[in-house]
Amino acid sequence: DIQLTQSPSPLSASVGDRVTITCQASQDISHYLNWYQHKPGKAPKLLIYDASNLERGVPSRFSGSGSGTEFTLTITSLQPEDIATYYCQQYSNLPRTFGQGTKLEIK
Amino acid sequence: QVHLVESGGGLVKTGGSLRLSCTTSGFTFRDYYMGWIRQAPGKGLEWVSYISHDDDTKYYADSVKGRFTVSRDNAKNSLYLQMNRLRAEDTAIYFCARDLVGSPAYWGQGTLVTVSS
Repeated sequence: DIQLTQSPSPLSASVGDRVTITCQASQDISHYLNWYQHKPGKAPKLLIYDASNLERGVPSRFSGSGSGTEFTLTITSLQPEDIATYYCQQYSNLPRTFGQGTKLEIK
Repeated sequence: QVHLVESGGGLVKTGGSLRLSCTTSGFTFRDYYMGWIRQAPGKGLEWVSYISHDDDTKYYADSVKGRFTVSRDNAKNSLYLQMNRLRAEDTAIYFCARDLVGSPAYWGQGTLVTVSS
């Protein structure tokens, strides 16, 4: 199975900050990476697919980059509603595996 | 419109069994891999099991191998997870999902399984 390692966790930031979360894959997954936002009691919400494509309806302050084994999710100008846990997930191979999550907290 | 609805969760004693169901609509179920993913209290998302569109290939996380069995009924557009010999650490919200390959990503709302002695 492909292992995904996220950092940092947790992450504390202030409203308006630029926030970056990284995801490292244990082998080359090309661009086959999703980023999700997960809030308690809800299904995970897809933010970014194919490593860098913004899902329809997701605010443009979210962006993704990377390929191969190193990926980042960036939130420019953090908003209070962005408080959640963020996960990367690969779909290069089965089974589709997840990072351990980055819990984002407001300072 | 795509819908995935899980059912079958509940409270069960350690060592007991439960069968989860995921009823789907809005897409051609038989064309897709399907998966079960769970989130234990205070923990992250963990894939549990995946099954190929034709029921031919199945994957299980090491934590559930030998205890859980995934299956599907393409005529009923439904996915199942038979969970036996349940442990306290299986307590979680269980989500079903259509194969998570980019956009769009379809998940159910989850069903809670609580294993207690």
